[in-house]
Amino acid sequence: QQPVQSPQAVILREGEDAVINCSSSKALYSVHWYRQKHGEAPVFLMILLKGGEQKGHDKISASFNEKKQQSSLYLTASQLSYSGTYFCGTGPTLPGGYQKVTFGTGTKLQVIP
Amino acid sequence: DTGVSQDPRHKITKRGQNVTFRCDPISEHNRLYWYRQTLGQGPEFLTYFQNEAQLEKSRLLSDRFSAERPKGSFSTLEIQRTEQGDSAMYLCASSPPLLAGDGMVGNEQFFGPGTRLTVL
Repeated sequence: QQPVQSPQAVILREGEDAVINCSSSKALYSVHWYRQKHGEAPVFLMILLKGGEQKGHDKISASFNEKKQQSSLYLTASQLSYSGTYFCGTGPTLPGGYQKVTFGTGTKLQVIP
Repeated sequence: DTGVSQDPRHKITKRGQNVTFRCDPISEHNRLYWYRQTLGQGPEFLTYFQNEAQLEKSRLLSDRFSAERPKGSFSTLEIQRTEQGDSAMYLCASSPPLLAGDGMVGNEQFFGPGTRLTVL
C-alpha cells in the first residue's frame, strides 16, 4: 500500500525550514527517505526502523512515530541544493519480507534565493 | 565509476517491438531491484533478485516482461511487444548483502541513472 505524503509541493526561500510528512494506514517495519533531482536517480537519505526513532543527516533529519505509521522529514536552514522531489518509502511490513521499497506520492521542494 | 550503471540510457522503439535493458550493479552487491517510474510519480517496484534468484515479482509485471540475472551479477529486463503504456523510466538499484544479525534490517538502495523508454 502506497504511503501518502504531504504537502505535494513547497517553495522555500534559502534559510527557511520545511517539514514533509509520510503516512500509512498500517504500521510499517521501516521507512526510507530518498531525494530525486530532476532527471536524476533517487538518492538515499536515511532509513528509520524503530518507533520513536529520530535520525539526522547534516541539516536534514527524520522521525518515526511510536506507532510506526507516520514519519516526518525535517529540512532546516534550507539550501538551494535541497531542491528536488522527496520520496518516503515503506519497507516490508514484516521481518523476513524482501527489501523492496513502496514509494510514496512524492513532495516537490523548490528552494529559491 | 563504481556505481550502478544502466544501458542504454535512452531507447525509442515502435509499438510491438521487443526491447532489452541491462543493469550492472555495484560489484559486491548481491541484491538487485528493478523499478519503473512515470512522470510525476514515485518509482514502482517491478522485481527483486537475490544473487541469481528472482525472489519477487510485482503484479505490475505482465507476461510481456521478463527479467534475468544469470550469474548473480548483471541483470537484464526484457519487454516484449511493447505498448505505449510501457513508456517510462526503468530504474535499477542494488543493495549489499544483509549482515548476520540484521534480521531483515533495511539497507539503502543505490540507484542507477535509469533507461528512459519511449514507445511510439
